[in-house]
Amino acid sequence: DQQVKQNSPSLSVQEGRISILNCDYTNSMFDYFLWYKKYPAEGPTFLISISSIKDKNEDGRFTVFLNKSAKHLSLHIVPSQPGDSAVYFCAASAQGTYKYIFGTGTRLKVLA
Amino acid sequence: DTEVTQTPKHLVMGMTNKKSLKCEQHMGHRAMYWYKQKAKKPPELMFVYSYEKLSINESVPSRFSPECPNSSLLNLHLHALQPEDSALYLCASSRNSGQGVSYTFGSGTRLTVV
Repeated sequence: DQQVKQNSPSLSVQEGRISILNCDYTNSMFDYFLWYKKYPAEGPTFLISISSIKDKNEDGRFTVFLNKSAKHLSLHIVPSQPGDSAVYFCAASAQGTYKYIFGTGTRLKVLA
Repeated sequence: DTEVTQTPKHLVMGMTNKKSLKCEQHMGHRAMYWYKQKAKKPPELMFVYSYEKLSINESVPSRFSPECPNSSLLNLHLHALQPEDSALYLCASSRNSGQGVSYTFGSGTRLTVV
C-alpha cells in the first residue's frame, strides 16, 4: 500500500513557465514533508521541506504548498529552467519516527 | 565537505560471492542510512544507524549485514544475494535521526546479482 503517491510519472513544461508537481498521502499521522530532486547517476538532493504547522514554504524559485485536509502537497517551480529537468520525489514522515516514506517520483522535463 | 561518497559505483556479483558496499561522510552527521531503490520505485529504507548504533532494521534479510565502524563510515556486507536483490543502493546521512532533518544522499551503488 503506497502511503505517498505521485500520480504523474512525467511532466513536460516550457522554459520560463510554472512547473507544478503533485503529491498525495494517505497517512494522517504524517506531519513533515520533503521534496528531493534526482539527476541520472546521482543520489537524490534535498530541495525544500514543509512542516504541517505551515501551509506554504518558499525558497527562491521553489514553493511547496500543503493542504492537510486534502492530504495533498505540491511543488511549484517558477520560472522553470532546463536545469530543473530531473526526477522529483516527495517524502513524508510521522512524528516520533525516523522514517521517510518516498513517493514514486515525477520526471520533469523543461523544454528550452 | 558536504558529500556522501559511495563506493563502488557499480558492482556485479555472483550469488555465491561476498562483497561490501562502502559509504563515507565527513559532515559530522550522526545518523546514517541504507536505502534500496528498484527501477521506477521509490527508495525504501533498509537500516538506520544513530550514533554508530543500529536503531532500525526494516526486516531486511540477513544476507544484508550493515556495519558502522565509526561515525564517518557505513558499510553494507553482502553474501549469498539473489538476482532480485539487484537494485540501486543509496546511502544517506543526516545531522541526527530525529524528525525534521533532511538527508544528504550519496550517488548510490548500482548492484547487479547474476
